[in-house]
Amino acid sequence: NAGVTQTPKFQVLKTGQSMTLQCAQDMNHEYMSWYRQDPGMGLRLIHYSVGAGITDQGEVPNGYNVSRSTTEDFPLRLLSAAPSQTSVYFCASRSTGSQETQYFGPGTRLLVL
Amino acid sequence: GQQLNQSPQSMFIQEGEDVSMNCTSSSIFNTWLWYKQEPGEGPVLLIALYKAGELTSNGRLTAQFGITRKDSFLNISASIPSDVGIYFCAGASGGSYIPTFGRGTSLIVHP
Repeated sequence: NAGVTQTPKFQVLKTGQSMTLQCAQDMNHEYMSWYRQDPGMGLRLIHYSVGAGITDQGEVPNGYNVSRSTTEDFPLRLLSAAPSQTSVYFCASRSTGSQETQYFGPGTRLLVL
Repeated sequence: GQQLNQSPQSMFIQEGEDVSMNCTSSSIFNTWLWYKQEPGEGPVLLIALYKAGELTSNGRLTAQFGITRKDSFLNISASIPSDVGIYFCAGASGGSYIPTFGRGTSLIVHP
């Protein structure tokens, strides 16, 4: 199993550009989520999904869109990038069950100029 | 939203020392989690706690789920240089099990 994969690893955008951060997992997990990590702020939840076709907002959803058309993939879209979206983005997935374990991807480092 | 207060914010210790960090919440959680993040990597789950009062160990790491369900602590015994990283607590409640994270404790271990 590859676990949780994220692409790209690094990205530089200009203000106003759009892009999609990709996330995929091969563990057949129902739950997937996106976090952003900023210095001193910990991990803040952007959007999450409890299954294909179901998404919901987290703590900081503004400026981001998600969709979940398959169990495996959970892309995060920035429609019009802003400097405030400069951050490290982590995707995570977990399965349901009595011993839930959430796995994180390696992260995407985004710089918006 | 739910607030998690994690302390201390950072720790600078000598190799061999024991470490203690904790998290408190304004809300009750059903699950407490402790993660470690190394530079350039995503967080990795260290210990998961599912029951109030539960005490769980993972090698030199021990974590406890507070009786009030509003706090948890993590202890690391006999620290070594590879313990360096950021440690996050996270709490979860409700059926969706999407955890809320603390702001992290940065640990530096001097050889």
